[in-house]
Amino acid sequence: DIVMTQSPDSLAVSLGERATINCKSSQSVLYRSNTKNYLAWYQQRPGQPPKLLIYWASTRESGVPDRFSGGGSGTDFTLTISSLQAEDVAVYYCQQYFSTPYTFGQGTKLEIK
Amino acid sequence: QVQLQESGPGLVKPSQTLSLTCTVSGGSISTGGYYWSWIRQHPGKGLEWIGYIYYSGSTYYNPSLKSRVIISVDTSKNQFSLKLSSVTAADTAVYYCARDRGEVHGSGNLGWFDYWGQGTLVTVSS
Repeated sequence: DIVMTQSPDSLAVSLGERATINCKSSQSVLYRSNTKNYLAWYQQRPGQPPKLLIYWASTRESGVPDRFSGGGSGTDFTLTISSLQAEDVAVYYCQQYFSTPYTFGQGTKLEIK
Repeated sequence: QVQLQESGPGLVKPSQTLSLTCTVSGGSISTGGYYWSWIRQHPGKGLEWIGYIYYSGSTYYNPSLKSRVIISVDTSKNQFSLKLSSVTAADTAVYYCARDRGEVHGSGNLGWFDYWGQGTLVTVSS
């Protein structure tokens, strides 16, 4: 199985500031044949199911604010929130779909400083 | 707008079988192009993918649970179901159903989850 490791485990950022969450995979999730990275990001607010933010490592899901962006390739990825809003307080997860079984990172808890 | 809703007992006794159903509305499971997954989240913990099914009945299960899992589909009711046998306290979790969107690779799918149910807490206890 591909192991996904996120860092940090928790993060406190001031409103309006940038937040960056990292995700590292134990093996590359880049398919060289199509140059796509098989990685998604989710946001989970308390008491809610996860919500899809990003897929193909950098493609924003419809309706997701453009302050959310995804980057990286191969084994190292980032989720960036350019200007933190109060409603962004949540736990964020990365997920690889390069191979089954799909696996998730352990989550990063984002709070307001 | 696709919606998914889990249903089933919230309490299961150890060694028994956990049974959940996911009802899909706003779209047909039989349309094709999507797989339908079960995912669980232990209390206060991360996410674990259990497996998926296609409307044709084709399945893939996480090897960590494969010996105890059966996922089935009922296209006439627009539902898919999860059975997890021989449960223990370690199976206590919130169980989610979700739509798996991505691309077909070989005989299966590789994708992400774009629609989720609200989740249902299943507690294993005598």
